Amino acid sequence: GQQVMQIPQYQHVQEGEDFTTYCNSSTTLSNIQWYKQRPGGHPVFLIQLVKSGEVKKQKRLTFQFGEAKKNSSLHITATQTTDVGTYFCAGLRDTGNQFYFGTGTSLTVIP
Amino acid sequence: EPEVTQTPSHQVTQMGQEVILRCVPISNHLYFYWYRQILGQKVEFLVSFYNNEISEKSEIFDDQFSVERPDGSNFTLKIRSTKLEDSAMYFCASSFTGTLNTEAFFGQGTRLTVV
Repeated sequence: GQQVMQIPQYQHVQEGEDFTTYCNSSTTLSNIQWYKQRPGGHPVFLIQLVKSGEVKKQKRLTFQFGEAKKNSSLHITATQTTDVGTYFCAGLRDTGNQFYFGTGTSLTVIP
Repeated sequence: EPEVTQTPSHQVTQMGQEVILRCVPISNHLYFYWYRQILGQKVEFLVSFYNNEISEKSEIFDDQFSVERPDGSNFTLKIRSTKLEDSAMYFCASSFTGTLNTEAFFGQGTRLTVV
């Protein structure tokens, strides 16, 4: 079945350090979305990537979609305490409209 | 800003009882989803709904689950005979488009506790 794995599962960083989470799918994806879930909250959409090799930036966040459309990454530069939460990727297969959420990376930022 | 609303925020039920979780999607959205998240784990897809019928469902969505859009605004998830392992946070989501996809907006969730 469809598997979307993320690494690492947990990451603790000092405020100001960079952070990266990686998302890997067992099958090719038509597009990928990234969500952030604050502790006790619900997933909130961050961005969608569609094209092979696509790179998008949102302020300190950089998102990348792999050339083979099977992996993606989220990089945060100079983390802040407001970045705390769990980051999920969610991949969409070429057929259907079922998004497969990754296992998530929980980010803790130490002030 | 429009939002997806879910009720109740927390539901406690006895094993074997039926529960209905309610959601009001964003009004002009066409695709509706239910997801669940067991505490500390990833978000899992249950079902998607479009044009008054299920368009896709996961292996989790067995005969104990059903969805309904009883009127123009509500979208419900029914669990007929709850089991302990049904305890989770259930999120409703909606989006304007499906496969070409725009973002999915999630509700605040209903925490279901089966005792």
